[in-house]
This record gives sequence, C-alpha cells and structure tokens, in this order.
Amino acid sequence: NAGVTQTPKFRVLKTGQSMTLLCAQDMNHEYMYWYRQDPGMGLRLIHYSVGEGTTAKGEVPDGYNVSRLKKQNFLLGLESAAPSQTSVYFCASRPGLADQETQYFGPGTRLLVL
Amino acid sequence: GQNIDQPTEMTATEGAIVQINCTYQTSGFNGLFWYQQHAGEAPTFLSYNVLDGLEEKGRFSSFLSRSKGYSYLLLKELQMKDSASYLCAVMDSNYQLIWGAGTKLIIKP
Repeated sequence: NAGVTQTPKFRVLKTGQSMTLLCAQDMNHEYMYWYRQDPGMGLRLIHYSVGEGTTAKGEVPDGYNVSRLKKQNFLLGLESAAPSQTSVYFCASRPGLADQETQYFGPGTRLLVL
Repeated sequence: GQNIDQPTEMTATEGAIVQINCTYQTSGFNGLFWYQQHAGEAPTFLSYNVLDGLEEKGRFSSFLSRSKGYSYLLLKELQMKDSASYLCAVMDSNYQLIWGAGTKLIIKP
C-alpha cells in the first residue's frame, strides 16, 4: 500500500495562476481532508469529503475548490493564486466516522506564490 | 470559539523525561489525539484518549482530564530522534479535528 500520496511535492506559481493539487489514497477510506499548515499556526481545514461525490467547506475555504469524483482521489484547486496561499498543503484520509480512527497524512505539497 | 493551547517550544536533555501540556476549549469532545511531526514531514499518529486517565505506549504516555480540558504527552528516555513538533488535536462534535499550533521539542545531548 502506498497510503496517501500527493502530487506535486513542490510548486512555484505567479499571482493569478491556477493549479490543481492531487491527493490519492489506496486504503478505501471514506473521509478525505485538505489542510494548510503555516508557521506558528495549527493545521487548518480547507475542505473535506465524507464520501465519493461529496464535499464540504472547512475553516478556511475561500480561494479554493475541491472535487471528489472517485473515492480514492481528492483534488484541491486554486483558481487564481495569491501570495497568502503560500503554504504547505497536507491531504489526509480516514476510514470512517468512528471517533477513535486516526487520520493518515500524505507527505505534503509545498506551494510558493510569488 | 474553539481553542487549543500548547507551549511553542521546549528543550530537554537526552535520556530525560519531558511533559508537553495541552489545554482545550472546543464545541463538543470526541477524543484527543497527539501527533508527531518531524521537520519537513507529515504528522504521524502517536496516541488517542477519549476517557480520563493515562494511556501508555512504550516510551510515550498520554493523559486526559475532560473536566479540566487538559491533556499531556509524556516522553521518557528521550532520544535525539524525538526532536520534532508535537501536535495536540481535539475531535469536536462534528467529528472534525481542531489542531493546536504544535510544540517544538529540542533534545540536547
């Protein structure tokens, strides 16, 4: 099992450019999450999905869109990148709703917006 | 609002014991998690507490007091590889994780 993978690992964008971050998991997990992590702050939830075809907003959804057309994939889109979106983005997945089940994280995508 | 507080940074000596505290105020409580995150890497799961008391896993233990909104992670026999950030996260009433900013632990020889 590869677990949770993220593509790309690193990207530099100019302000106004768009891009899509891909998250894939091979553990048949229902729940998937996109977080951003900034220095001095905790992980902040951008969007999440509780199953194929579903998405929901998290704490900081503005400027991002997501899609979950297939159970194993969760895409995060930036329509018009801004310097404030410079961050490390982590994808995570979780088996289901049972509270004791932990989240499994991908390796992260480092995004720099100039 | 929801809030998780933990110290920003701690320093300890190799072979010693260190306790990292976490206090929380959340809308609902469905468990508290501790994760370890090495620099430049993803968080990895360490422990889960949902009932009051101590959970022990090898060199690591985690304690929870729900009435006080308080948890700690205890690391014994510290090794250089334990140098990392330790993240406290609480699962709220919506089963979402609310994260603390993390405690950077520096281990000195």
